[in-house]
Amino acid sequence: DAKTTQPNSMESNEEEPVHLPCNHSTISGTDYIHWYRQLPSQGPEYVIHGLTSNVNNRMASLAIAEDRKSSTLILHRATLRDAAVYYCILDSSNTGKLIFGQGTTLQVKP
Amino acid sequence: GAVVSQHPSWVICKSGTSVKIECRSLDFQATTMFWYRQFPKQSLMLMATSNEGSKATYEQGVEKDKFLINHASLTLSTLTVTSAHPEDSSFYICSASPGRDYGYTFGSGTRLTVV
Repeated sequence: DAKTTQPNSMESNEEEPVHLPCNHSTISGTDYIHWYRQLPSQGPEYVIHGLTSNVNNRMASLAIAEDRKSSTLILHRATLRDAAVYYCILDSSNTGKLIFGQGTTLQVKP
Repeated sequence: GAVVSQHPSWVICKSGTSVKIECRSLDFQATTMFWYRQFPKQSLMLMATSNEGSKATYEQGVEKDKFLINHASLTLSTLTVTSAHPEDSSFYICSASPGRDYGYTFGSGTRLTVV
C-alpha cells in the first residue's frame, strides 16, 4: 500500500490561512488522495478528496502537485474549531482500504 | 447526506463477556464497511473489511474469532468483541462510502472499556 508522510505538528494563528503538506511519492495512477480530520474521542470527519485536479469545497481546498507525489490541504481562514489531527490518506485502487498514518496535529492560536 | 451511525457510543463490560457494536449507513447502501481500532494517542488501525453477504476480510494480526463481523444487510454491519479482556479496551470506529467519488464517512466511534 502506498504511504503518506506528514509533519507531526503545525501551528497557525486564528483567521490566517493554513497549508498542510503531504508527501505520497509512491502513489499509483488511480489512487485518490483523501483528507480527514479528527477531534479527540470522535470519529474522523471527511474534509476533501481528489484524484488529479485541484478541488475546492466549503471546508477547504486541495492542491495536488502535477506529478501527484505531493498535495497540500489549504484551510483559508483557520478558526479555533479547526484544531484537530489531520490525516492525508491514499485510497488504494487495489483494495479500497484507507491506511492511516500518524497525521498532523494542528494547533490554532487565538 | 452519507451519514453513518454507530451504536453504542460507549460501553463498559466485564472481562469474559461479549459486546456487540452496530454500524449503520442511514441514507445510502454500503456493500462494504470498514472497522478500525484506535488506542489513546495513536492513529486508526484498520481491523477488517466487512462485506455484505460474505465473510469479512481481516487484516494481518487481527483475530477473526475474537472480533466477529456480520454484514447481513446493505445498511448494517456489526462487530462483536467476544470474551473481552482489558487489553481489548479501545475506541472502535466504522466507516463506509456511497462510492469512491464521494469519500468515506465515519461513525462517531464506540469507546469500549473492559473491567
